[in-house]
Amino acid sequence: DAKTTQPTSMDCAEGRAANLPCNHSTISGNEYVYWYRQIHSQGPQYIIHGLKNNETNEMASLIITEDRKSSTLILPHATLRDTAVYYCIVRGISNFGNEKLTFGTGTRLTIIP
Amino acid sequence: DGGITQSPKYLFRKEGQNVTLSCEQNLNHDAMYWYRQDPGQGLRLIYYSQIVNDFQKGDIAEGYSVSREKKESFPLTVTSAQKNPTAFYLCASRGILSGNTIYFGEGSWLTVV
Repeated sequence: DAKTTQPTSMDCAEGRAANLPCNHSTISGNEYVYWYRQIHSQGPQYIIHGLKNNETNEMASLIITEDRKSSTLILPHATLRDTAVYYCIVRGISNFGNEKLTFGTGTRLTIIP
Repeated sequence: DGGITQSPKYLFRKEGQNVTLSCEQNLNHDAMYWYRQDPGQGLRLIYYSQIVNDFQKGDIAEGYSVSREKKESFPLTVTSAQKNPTAFYLCASRGILSGNTIYFGEGSWLTVV
């Protein structure tokens, strides 16, 4: 799996949009970008994923650059419950063969009241 | 409800003892994973299994063992050979019916006393 680089920490004011960047310059053509978040002492929660096009769901939006070397997760109206560590991961989608999903250390997002 | 169940949530072990962490999923997922997380760190892959009766070592398999006798179950044994077993352990699974997205359980805290 390709490696990702994320800022260690970020703050965002409550009610504002939180924009979390991720660099994945070695991503290959068949690898997706996934985002998870983890609240302290809980299992990571799936947020969103995408390949080339921008994606949106009820939780967030994912913007992937045209060259696919970086992406941004957007939480449109951050609340205090969005305080968590956010992980950006790239992986191929395959049903067979070796798959070693690799997590980095993520971005610790703190929402400020 | 469908999901991934890990047990126990908290476990204390004496040095030199083996301990087994349970992971059960009723999502009909083919692939299952075990990760270890140390305080303030990212997730590291211990073992993963793509199908029943088959599994592969991850990045930190030494001192751990697994089995995959049933599709629903992927127990992890932390053996006495694991020198620093105190950590948060996360089980995850993936399947075609959930779009190949990986979902996590709530984790198990293991403390060696």
